[in-house]
Amino acid sequence: EVQLVESGGGLVQPGGSLRLSCAASRFTFSNYAMSWVRQAPGKGLEWVSGVIGSGGTTYYADSVKGRFTISRDNSKNTLYLQMNSLRAEDTAVYYCAKAETYSGRYSPFDYWGQGTLVTVSS
Amino acid sequence: DIVLMQSPGTLSLSPGERATLSCRASQSVRSSYLAWYQQKPGQAPRLLIYGAASRATGIPDRFSGSGSGTDFTLTISRLEPEDFAVYYCQQYDSSPRTFGQGTKLEIK
Repeated sequence: EVQLVESGGGLVQPGGSLRLSCAASRFTFSNYAMSWVRQAPGKGLEWVSGVIGSGGTTYYADSVKGRFTISRDNSKNTLYLQMNSLRAEDTAVYYCAKAETYSGRYSPFDYWGQGTLVTVSS
Repeated sequence: DIVLMQSPGTLSLSPGERATLSCRASQSVRSSYLAWYQQKPGQAPRLLIYGAASRATGIPDRFSGSGSGTDFTLTISRLEPEDFAVYYCQQYDSSPRTFGQGTKLEIK
């Protein structure tokens, strides 16, 4: 079955940076769009960013645009999220999620990782 | 952005009962690009329903989805103990993908 394993979370000060990774296995990674979705403590789900199968097109929520960068290395089957200028409101569990299509358009998220916790605090 | 409103916020029922969860969109969701997810404490969300009414792989047939346009429903016909969780609807018709705020299904 599809496996997605996130890493890279931790405690960071406001204004700091962090890079999350999501290692994918048991499917042809380059054939599918991927996204990051976050969940603040005790809150609901918020889509953060997405990237198509090739990595050539990326999408961002307004709340992170200009601060976060999504990328992927299809040779390593790994998705990344570079997070800069972090704020307290970025504190959340970050999940990577797989789309059912190459472009991600008109596709739900059919598999999710277990998440990695990012805490932004001084 | 399409805003999704779920109701009720909390639903208290007993095992064996029928659960009906609602998701209302601020504008029409084309081609029923609406999904439902289940999330248990400490776990990732799991896809239950896509295309408003199609069950994802391995999802029991007691889960069913219906609706179109702006009004969608998730029905659990006979609640099992493992069904008590939080349920989210999500639209994937337009960007940004948006989720409802969730309905917590708790044991009465």
